[in-house]
Amino acid sequence: EAGVVQSPRYKIIEKKQPVAFWCNPISGHNTLYWYLQNLGQGPELLIRYENEEAVDDSQLPKDRFSAERLKGVDSTLKIQPAELGDSAVYLCASSRSGTYSTDTQYFGPGTRLTVL
Amino acid sequence: KQEVTQIPAALSVPEGENLVLNCSFTDSAIYNLQWFRQDPGKGLTSLLLIQSSQREQTSGRLNASLDKSSGRSTLYIAASQPGDSATYLCAVKTSYDKVIFGPGTSLSVIP
Repeated sequence: EAGVVQSPRYKIIEKKQPVAFWCNPISGHNTLYWYLQNLGQGPELLIRYENEEAVDDSQLPKDRFSAERLKGVDSTLKIQPAELGDSAVYLCASSRSGTYSTDTQYFGPGTRLTVL
Repeated sequence: KQEVTQIPAALSVPEGENLVLNCSFTDSAIYNLQWFRQDPGKGLTSLLLIQSSQREQTSGRLNASLDKSSGRSTLYIAASQPGDSATYLCAVKTSYDKVIFGPGTSLSVIP
């Protein structure tokens, strides 16, 4: 079974430029998560999808971040414009179900973003 | 607001030693607690998940315990190996359905 796929693995951009990350979850997983992980810290949730619906986006900085999950499968996370403080690893995870579930989250390898 | 801490931040042990990693959380109203492993440059891999009604879970050389009343969990690794070197993170799922991660403990097992 293929795991969670993310691309690109690394991205270096100038500040104020846009950037997009893509995630393909494990087949059959209804729940998709985007996390931000700073160096030496644990992941922090940005947004959680149940199928196509964003059920928790309370931590997503909506002035510059946006996300979509068309058809309830792949997802894209976008930052426009990027700021220096956005440099971090962006992790995507998926699980069979999410809400009050005991299902394990499976993580992708992440995209390491560097903003210069 | 739930906060999760892990002590120590880093740990170095000789191969073969048994060791304990600690995780503390401030709100005992949790749904479950999970331990993850993260290798450099990679995502997280789930090791053990303990439901709020359980006291411990075991998988091979790993044993995780949960004491909700004191807000603590421990991950016990028996007979450590160099391949165990990684960062270990705990995460609690709160009663309001949020997953909060600790900062992790970086473990080095010296051959």
